[in-house]
Amino acid sequence: SAVISQKPSRDICQRGTSLTIQCQVDSQVTMMFWYRQQPGQSLTLIATANQGSEATYESGFVIDKFPISRPNLTFSTLTVSNMSPEDSSIYLCSVTGQNQDTQYFGPGTRLTVL
Amino acid sequence: GQQVMQIPQYQHVQEGEDFTTYCNSSTTLSNIQWYKQRPGGHPVFLIQLVKSGEVKKQKRLTFQFGEAKKNSSLHITATQTTDVGTYFCAGPRSNYQLIWGAGTKLIIKP
Repeated sequence: SAVISQKPSRDICQRGTSLTIQCQVDSQVTMMFWYRQQPGQSLTLIATANQGSEATYESGFVIDKFPISRPNLTFSTLTVSNMSPEDSSIYLCSVTGQNQDTQYFGPGTRLTVL
Repeated sequence: GQQVMQIPQYQHVQEGEDFTTYCNSSTTLSNIQWYKQRPGGHPVFLIQLVKSGEVKKQKRLTFQFGEAKKNSSLHITATQTTDVGTYFCAGPRSNYQLIWGAGTKLIIKP
């Protein structure tokens, strides 16, 4: 399985600012996903990031709020823009495994917005 | 739309007791996957079931996929403290995405 790192692991940010989260994979992968997970809750898919094309966003998530970059097959960023306390959450990136059905996750970024 | 329901939300057990979580999909699934998330950790892939009626074992964990490929269960025999965490089922959606169950949190009573 791929080894995935995320930076930062955690951050405390002020309302109205933006934070960019990086996801680095040790091998080339086609599909990368960004999730949000509130404490004690399940995973909510924000968007699918494909290399060479625009990210595909799920209902309730928009590009202006969560711009995503995917410059190559091993890297992606998610920006949380104009943050409010409601954006406090864990943000996870994942990639598909060899059979493209299973997913492998990065360690997550714990974001607190004051 | 497609939904995956998972129960119970929590299960408190004494160490050594068994644990079971159930997953039910609103549609037939091509496969179902199980993940474990330890407290403070990220989801980790455990297993994928593909065939109707399939049963797979990993040590004390037994995974089943229903005959209609719409439901699944995970059973842990004789729980240990290392089993603590939240167990999620997930089924495939379009474009290699997954639809996730709500998760079942396994809590070991002190």
